[in-house]
Amino acid sequence: GESVGLHLPTLSVQEGDNSIINCAYSNSASDYFIWYKQESGKGPQFIIDIRSNMDKRQGQRVTVLLNKTVKHLSLQIAATQPGDSAVYFCAEKRTGNQFYFGTGTSLTVIP
Amino acid sequence: NAGVTQTPKFRVLKTGQSMTLLCAQDMNHEYMYWYRQDPGMGLRLIHYSVGEGTTAKGEVPDGYNVSRLKKQNFLLGLESAAPSQTSVYFCASSYSTGYQETQYFGPGTRLLVL
Repeated sequence: GESVGLHLPTLSVQEGDNSIINCAYSNSASDYFIWYKQESGKGPQFIIDIRSNMDKRQGQRVTVLLNKTVKHLSLQIAATQPGDSAVYFCAEKRTGNQFYFGTGTSLTVIP
Repeated sequence: NAGVTQTPKFRVLKTGQSMTLLCAQDMNHEYMYWYRQDPGMGLRLIHYSVGEGTTAKGEVPDGYNVSRLKKQNFLLGLESAAPSQTSVYFCASSYSTGYQETQYFGPGTRLLVL
């Protein structure tokens, strides 16, 4: 079946370094993708999104890249801070209003 | 403006018991969703609603029922709880601007079924 997945379950980075979190998807019909951040004991929080007619979108310290050819999505966090430590999920929108989430990557920022 | 709230925060059930989880949003959003989150499996969509009076099945609907009698509320029911339904349940609501479909999540309900 089709699925949304992440390449790495955990990632550790030094404070101040850039972080890259990857996500693979297999449904070529998906046209909208979102990255969420989830801190321990809380619900997911929207970070940034991208439509399939774009290949890059930038926010404050975050950039999402979409490569439709290889069905790959990445989240780049610039100058990673301790407050960025969390689990990051990618989600894809398929038919109707259904969103499918990846399994998540746990990011740890080392001071 | 409380955003999305969920009741209760935590509950312990015995197998076979029933319960209802309540989700409320004060953002006038049309769309509402119920997800469950299990370790290592991310969030999976149970049921969702695209407007008052409408509901639809998601990825894992079996064992759950939902109702959206009022726009601001989305109820998730477990008629006969099973240990496999032990999970953290998240409710979300969203709007669509045509480009963006941001989902706003509640704080979650932790359910333990013994």
